[in-house]
Amino acid sequence: EAQVTQNPRYLITVTGKKLTVTCSQNMNHEYMSWYRQDPGLGLRQIYYSMNVEVTDKGDVPEGYKVSRKEKRNFPLILESPSPNQTSLYFCASSLSIGQPQHFGDGTRLSIL
Amino acid sequence: QKEVEQDPGPLSVPEGAIVSLNCTYSNSAFQYFMWYRQYSRKGPELLMYTYSSGNKEDGRFTAQVDKSSKYISLFIRDSQPSDSATYLCAMTYNTNAGKSTFGDGTTLTVKP
Repeated sequence: EAQVTQNPRYLITVTGKKLTVTCSQNMNHEYMSWYRQDPGLGLRQIYYSMNVEVTDKGDVPEGYKVSRKEKRNFPLILESPSPNQTSLYFCASSLSIGQPQHFGDGTRLSIL
Repeated sequence: QKEVEQDPGPLSVPEGAIVSLNCTYSNSAFQYFMWYRQYSRKGPELLMYTYSSGNKEDGRFTAQVDKSSKYISLFIRDSQPSDSATYLCAMTYNTNAGKSTFGDGTTLTVKP
């Protein structure tokens, strides 16, 4: 089954404690992306990757890091999380730029 | 000013009604247009994808794009309670830039 898998689905943690949210896709997609979704602000793009070792900033990259060492994986790293990063996060992938994206089921992060 | 503005809703209609969901955009560089449906606690899923002005139909759903007016719409005919969800418009550029921009979403409730 074609899917985008995020882990963990839920996480409560404290300010400053480094965390990583993993994302994996099994569709051999070139393009992957991370979004955060907040009430009243919609879905905002954090980072995207057009292929292995190629990443670029979206609209809200501050406080986040990403890497794309393998085609299937695109982890999101919060080096020093802060409460304003409490949000619902989605990973997505598509065959290439401009193509429809497949989304994971989301990761709900709470930073206390 | 946001690049993509979506009619905010929420929208509540009786079963069987025709629903119209709308987005306007300011950047003429957007070339690919999508509508996603998002159920509670799930990731967005693709409903419609188009890259040209005009109408595209798929069952009860019709996507309309007017590039000259920078306006896109999604029409749902014979709406069903199972259509109750949040609908997101999305757009991407026709270049190597990989950014995707989403509307804030419109929440639709279809009452039996």
